[in-house]
Amino acid sequence: KNQVEQSPQSLIILEGKNCTLQCNYTVSPFSNLRWYKQDTGRGPVSLTIMTFSENTKSNGRYTATLDADTKQSSLHITASQLSDSASYICVVSASETSGSRLTFGEGTQLTVNP
Amino acid sequence: DVKVTQSSRYLVKRTGEKVFLECVQDMDHENMFWYRQDPGLGLRLIYFSYDVKMKEKGDIPEGYSVSREKKERFSLILESASTNQTSMYLCASSAAGGVGEQYFGPGTRLTVT
Repeated sequence: KNQVEQSPQSLIILEGKNCTLQCNYTVSPFSNLRWYKQDTGRGPVSLTIMTFSENTKSNGRYTATLDADTKQSSLHITASQLSDSASYICVVSASETSGSRLTFGEGTQLTVNP
Repeated sequence: DVKVTQSSRYLVKRTGEKVFLECVQDMDHENMFWYRQDPGLGLRLIYFSYDVKMKEKGDIPEGYSVSREKKERFSLILESASTNQTSMYLCASSAAGGVGEQYFGPGTRLTVT
């Protein structure tokens, strides 16, 4: 069964600090891995998407890494801001003949305090 | 910018009512999806559609049906709403090919009393 596990479940940090969120997956056959940011009461918004051959991708203060051998990904947030408070969801896509099927992690709830 | 809109942000319905959730995308995407999101469970796929009038069941289709009469519009129907269908419902769309990025709407918070 395809699964995506994220850790920690929740995290509280002070504004200006860095943090790293983890994602482990067992999805086959692997197609790509995405990180989404979801503000409270809103739909998810894509931060990064990485294919098998990519091991790092940045989007401003967000940097995602992918180790396809160990099936792990991380999202590093640099110099956090209050607006970074949100749920961060790791999503892995499996290739199927009819298209791709996404498997979602439960998300890490990040709170940035002043 | 891709825009996915949903007909309501908040909806309150009574048990047994028929409920329609509408989703419209403006990027001519072939693929459209309906998810529900519950605490501790993440997003779960209800139904998806790869083309007009085509639909496929996701992981949790029971109690739901869908309609896609036009490319830009994908409707989720709860034939007889039940309290266990209280949830956040998210619509998404993506371009053809299956591996494209999915763009999400703002969500509809449905409460069934």
